[in-house]
Amino acid sequence: GENVEQHPSTLSVQEGDSAVIKCTYSDSASNYFPWYKQELGKRPQLIIDIRSNVGEKKDQRIAVTLNKTAKHFSLHITETQPEDSAVYFCAASKAEKLVFGKGMKLTVNP
Amino acid sequence: DAGVIQSPRHEVTEMGQEVTLRCKPISGHNSLFWYRQTMMRGLELLIYFNNNVPIDDSGMPEDRFSAKMPNASFSTLKIQPSEPRDSAVYFCASRQTSAADTQYFGPGTRLTVL
Repeated sequence: GENVEQHPSTLSVQEGDSAVIKCTYSDSASNYFPWYKQELGKRPQLIIDIRSNVGEKKDQRIAVTLNKTAKHFSLHITETQPEDSAVYFCAASKAEKLVFGKGMKLTVNP
Repeated sequence: DAGVIQSPRHEVTEMGQEVTLRCKPISGHNSLFWYRQTMMRGLELLIYFNNNVPIDDSGMPEDRFSAKMPNASFSTLKIQPSEPRDSAVYFCASRQTSAADTQYFGPGTRLTVL
């Protein structure tokens, strides 16, 4: 089955810096890659997603890139703000079943 | 839209007791997913339904866990008997199969088994 690895597990940045989270997946048939943000005590919420027919997608300060050949995808957050502090999860799926990475705790220091 | 609704939000029970978690998916969504989240294991898919039919229950840890979806607007996850290692946050998520792949999560139920 699919296996999703996410790294680093924690990241601390200064406000205004950029943050990059990387994920790898094992199943080359996976075709959908969402990113979820989870604040402490809250539910995971989708922030951006990408499908396998697209290499990059951007939404304001966040962007996701996908390299199908290498089977990895990344989340980029620019101009980080304290409210970006949360745990970020990547996931991969080829049908309906999402397999999540273990998550990365991002701390943005004011 | 009210979003995915879960109840109870918190549950504290003693080992050996039966626990029932409830979920109401977003109206019009025909796929429903149950997840368990722990620090050690992260977010794990337990089971999911399409059009009220269980499709994949390979994530259900053992026979103590069971899930049902009697209709399009209600699902339950039952643990009987509960054990301390079942303590976790249980999320329900729903999705409209004919639309995008996005799964929308409920607020979760924090279960503590003493």
